[in-house]
Amino acid sequence: SQQGEEDPQALSIQEGENATMNCSYKTSINNLQWYRQNSGRGLVHLILIRSNEREKHSGRLRVTLDTSKKSSSLLITASRAADTASYFCATDRAGNQFYFGTGTSLTVIP
Amino acid sequence: DTGVSQNPRHKITKRGQNVTFRCDPISEHNRLYWYRQTLGQGPEFLTYFQNEAQLEKSRLLSDRFSAERPKGSFSTLEIQRTEQGDSAMYLCASSLPQASNEKLFFGSGTQLSVL
Repeated sequence: SQQGEEDPQALSIQEGENATMNCSYKTSINNLQWYRQNSGRGLVHLILIRSNEREKHSGRLRVTLDTSKKSSSLLITASRAADTASYFCATDRAGNQFYFGTGTSLTVIP
Repeated sequence: DTGVSQNPRHKITKRGQNVTFRCDPISEHNRLYWYRQTLGQGPEFLTYFQNEAQLEKSRLLSDRFSAERPKGSFSTLEIQRTEQGDSAMYLCASSLPQASNEKLFFGSGTQLSVL
């Protein structure tokens, strides 16, 4: 079964706008990661945030983690058409399984 | 080799046939994962290896599915007596775990269509 749920399921924005997507999960975690997937391709790792961190930045990406609410958010600033993809959060638990959410499909309109 | 390689990229088969997929991980990675993904869903964990040892299998992995990693390098996933419900993208990922910092590197997947 999948651990996480992303929200919204789909998001459509204009180029230059910011995109925010959220992830909720069910059990305690060691870390949370965000991945991106272009249509018909494998997933690409974007950013990892540890359970003892609250916020992390990487380029145009900003990730927050609230372990008390078991939720995370991914913010993409100044979006570009090339950011069009599906975005997944993934959590790990003891046992080394990575559980992926259902994903947010982002469309950035030029 | 700079990434995870999966072959074939596409496989079309008839129901009841056996299929085998191959995954070549990044050479120094000792962990290898198999996932299955259907349209509009996230990847679902199937199994993973630490070197040649298969350490965990999902309940999704019925007895028709078998995975091997004989020398701790490449891995194969075999599906016997395929069913239409097996149609999906099969993704392989590898990693080199470091303390609390394991990241997965995915291949492009094998798209299976069972007719």
